[in-house]
Amino acid sequence: EAGVAQSPRYKIIEKRQSVAFWCNPISGHATLYWYQQILGQGPKLLIQFQNNGVVDDSQLPKDRFSAERLKGVDSTLKIQPAKLEDSAVYLCASSILRGAVTGELFFGEGSRLTVL
Amino acid sequence: SQQGEEDPQALSIQEGENATMNCSYKTSINNLQWYRQNSGRGLVHLILIRSNEREKHSGRLRVTLDTSKKSSSLLITASRAADTASYFCATDARGGFKTIFGAGTRLFVKA
Repeated sequence: EAGVAQSPRYKIIEKRQSVAFWCNPISGHATLYWYQQILGQGPKLLIQFQNNGVVDDSQLPKDRFSAERLKGVDSTLKIQPAKLEDSAVYLCASSILRGAVTGELFFGEGSRLTVL
Repeated sequence: SQQGEEDPQALSIQEGENATMNCSYKTSINNLQWYRQNSGRGLVHLILIRSNEREKHSGRLRVTLDTSKKSSSLLITASRAADTASYFCATDARGGFKTIFGAGTRLFVKA
């Protein structure tokens, strides 16, 4: 079974530039998550999709971050314009939702962003 | 906001010793999960314990859950150098769909 695919693995940009990250979840997984992990901290949930609808985006800085999940499969997370504090690893995860209870999350390797 | 908080923040032990990490959380949960993260990699699921379970085992891992104290512990027995990683607890709050992670415990196992 193929895992969660993310690209690019590494990206270096200057502040005020834009960047986009792509995620392809495990086939059949209805739920897709984007987490931000700053060095030395735990993952922070940015946005959660159920199929192609948004379940939670309460911690997404909507003035600069946007995300979409087309056709309930792949997802793209965009940052525009980037700030220095956006330097982090952006982790995508997917899971099967059974009823109202989430289960195991499967993570990609992450996309490491450095903003100079 | 962080739902779960791990303790200690960092732990250094000798190979062969046991490692115990604790997690406390704030609200009622459906389940609690433990994940492992090697440096520079994604998170890997270790074990899930449901709110109506008190203890669960998987290989060298033992997880306990005390819902009255809103806490969980992860015990790794007979640790190996390869167990060196960060360990995170994650909770799925009852009534919600979000999986929220704590700040993690950094475990270093010396050979």
